[in-house]
Amino acid sequence: AAGVIQSPRHLIKEKRETATLKCYPIPRHDTVYWYQQGPGQDPQFLISFYEKMQSDKGSIPDRFSAQQFSDYHSELNMSSLELGDSALYFCASSARANNEQFFGPGTRLTVL
Amino acid sequence: AQSVTQPDIHITVSEGASLELRCNYSYGATPYLFWYVQSPGQGLQLLLKYFSGDTLVQGIKGFEAEFKRSQSSFNLRKPSVHWSDAAEYFCAVAALFSGGYNKLIFGAGTRLAVHP
Repeated sequence: AAGVIQSPRHLIKEKRETATLKCYPIPRHDTVYWYQQGPGQDPQFLISFYEKMQSDKGSIPDRFSAQQFSDYHSELNMSSLELGDSALYFCASSARANNEQFFGPGTRLTVL
Repeated sequence: AQSVTQPDIHITVSEGASLELRCNYSYGATPYLFWYVQSPGQGLQLLLKYFSGDTLVQGIKGFEAEFKRSQSSFNLRKPSVHWSDAAEYFCAVAALFSGGYNKLIFGAGTRLAVHP
């Protein structure tokens, strides 16, 4: 079965650079969630989209923005990167009728 | 506000021994509860979930969990642990709104080590 795809899987950036993380949900899933997991931490909710509209917002820095496109894939844009942004970023998708979130493998971002 | 507490940061068991990982939640309505497992550097795999109905739910890899409303708990159990079960385990609760899910709120996780 198709799963959630995230790209890239690994990303290394310098401080103050920008990064774009991509998420391709499971086909026919209309909702996408982004989570950030710092080293040794639990995943923290950042933002979610339903039918291309932002549905909820968590502890996402103003330096970050995200959107969901017409094909339901989502991108998380991160600017002015800081050392503290180094983390594993997960995307999850769900179909509203099902309400279960399926997680992608994550993107490991390292900021040097 | 919703919250999840996993009281045990680390647990070590011997292979073949039974396991129980504790999870307590705080949520005003009927919660939607999940257990995820994460191997080092890997993604989150759903072990099992509770939405409604039977309070004892079966999951993958021989895991089960019991929802106890009176204790606000959703403890994960396995009768006989295998070395491959060594991983980080996260309990999570989902808020429900307008017919769909909101974010997942995770506990801090319990790291399980298995002795041979």
